[in-house]
Amino acid sequence: AQTVTQSQPEMSVQEAETVTLSCTYDTSESDYYLFWYKQPPSRQMILVIRQEAYKQQNATENRFSVNFQKAAKSFSLKISDSQLGDAAMYFCAYMRYGGSQGNLIFGKGTKLSVKP
Amino acid sequence: EPEVTQTPSHQVTQMGQEVILRCVPISNHLYFYWYRQILGQKVEFLVSFYNNEISEKSEIFDDQFSVERPDGSNFTLKIRSTKLEDSAMYFCASSGGGQGNGYTFGSGTRLTVV
Repeated sequence: AQTVTQSQPEMSVQEAETVTLSCTYDTSESDYYLFWYKQPPSRQMILVIRQEAYKQQNATENRFSVNFQKAAKSFSLKISDSQLGDAAMYFCAYMRYGGSQGNLIFGKGTKLSVKP
Repeated sequence: EPEVTQTPSHQVTQMGQEVILRCVPISNHLYFYWYRQILGQKVEFLVSFYNNEISEKSEIFDDQFSVERPDGSNFTLKIRSTKLEDSAMYFCASSGGGQGNGYTFGSGTRLTVV
């Protein structure tokens, strides 16, 4: 069974600085998708960025980028120029590829604090 | 931007009572999901629904749970006889069918069983 591990329960970053959140996963599949979701205090789950495993190029969305290391099964999220609004829980998630719509498997999350 | 709408935002119920959590997915989406997040824990998959039937369910989704799409716009989760351990945030999500696009989540219903 696939698993997702986020080893940092909490992280803190100074406003305008850069922070990296770690995620590792375990799967025997070669094709899959990886996601980072943000959950602010409002509790809604917001998609931040996604990565297809068959793509070697790391995904980027504005200030958010990932470092996808397929061989190492690592998928870290880098947030540049951190803003106060980035403070939230961040969840890494895995989805298998193909067949019926797969479900998302989440890690336990990393709580990010942003200091002014 | 299209949203997934969930009602109510907070539901308090007595143990043993039935509850129905309601969701309105994005109108042109085809796949629907329920997830659960017990306070302080990770988000867990409950069930996926496509073409008017369950396509996948987790071990959590036992006989106490059921889902329904009664009228083509709503998507409901019913818990027949609630237990204290059912207290959690319940998230509805929908997707248009492109797996790599991820899902759009609703803002959740906080269920408190007393």
